[in-house]
Amino acid sequence: QVQLVQSGAEVKKPGASVKVSCKASGYTFINYGITWVRQAPGQGLEWMGSISGYNGDTNYAQNLQGRVTMTTDTSASTAYMELRSLRSDDTAVYYCARGSYNHDYWGQGTLVTVSS
Amino acid sequence: QSALTQPASVSGSPGQSITISCTGTSGDVGGYNYVSWYQQHPGKAPKLMIYDVSNRPSGVSDRFSGSKSGNTASLTISGLQAEDEADYYCNSYTSNTAQVFGGGTKLTVL
Repeated sequence: QVQLVQSGAEVKKPGASVKVSCKASGYTFINYGITWVRQAPGQGLEWMGSISGYNGDTNYAQNLQGRVTMTTDTSASTAYMELRSLRSDDTAVYYCARGSYNHDYWGQGTLVTVSS
Repeated sequence: QSALTQPASVSGSPGQSITISCTGTSGDVGGYNYVSWYQQHPGKAPKLMIYDVSNRPSGVSDRFSGSKSGNTASLTISGLQAEDEADYYCNSYTSNTAQVFGGGTKLTVL
């Protein structure tokens, strides 16, 4: 069965970086993209960007350009999302999801807390 | 990219039907048939309910249906059940190869 398993919760100070992993299983990794979505406490979903599982091509949300990098390790069927220069308003649950457009399987979410 | 516009809340009684709207522009909802809908229960990851405007993934009840007219997409839930109470989000592909979510709608089953 398809599963996306994300890394554990993180607490970071403002200005630091965080890297969240998303390990995929149960399907051929290179056949699907991975999309990252975040949700601040009590707020809605925000699309962060997508990466092709095939060739690593990326599309990032305009408001995160320059601070976010998405990568994949196809040998490990794992996707990564790194966010730099963290601010308090980056505190959120970060999800990975299968697919570049329609997201049929989701990870369990990773809580990233940014606090001094 | 501005979020798509959804009503903050809708409600209905068990057995009734409700419709949630999702309004965008010709650069997103109106320009592409890549509108999807997600259901999210508290503390859980979102679940895909409708994709490509009106298609249901395997395992999703046929009580859920989607449609689009112009710049507005809609999700209809018929025969409301208690377990349908959740937050619902629309999502659309956009003209700059990005995506955008709606602000979310809280469905209350009375």
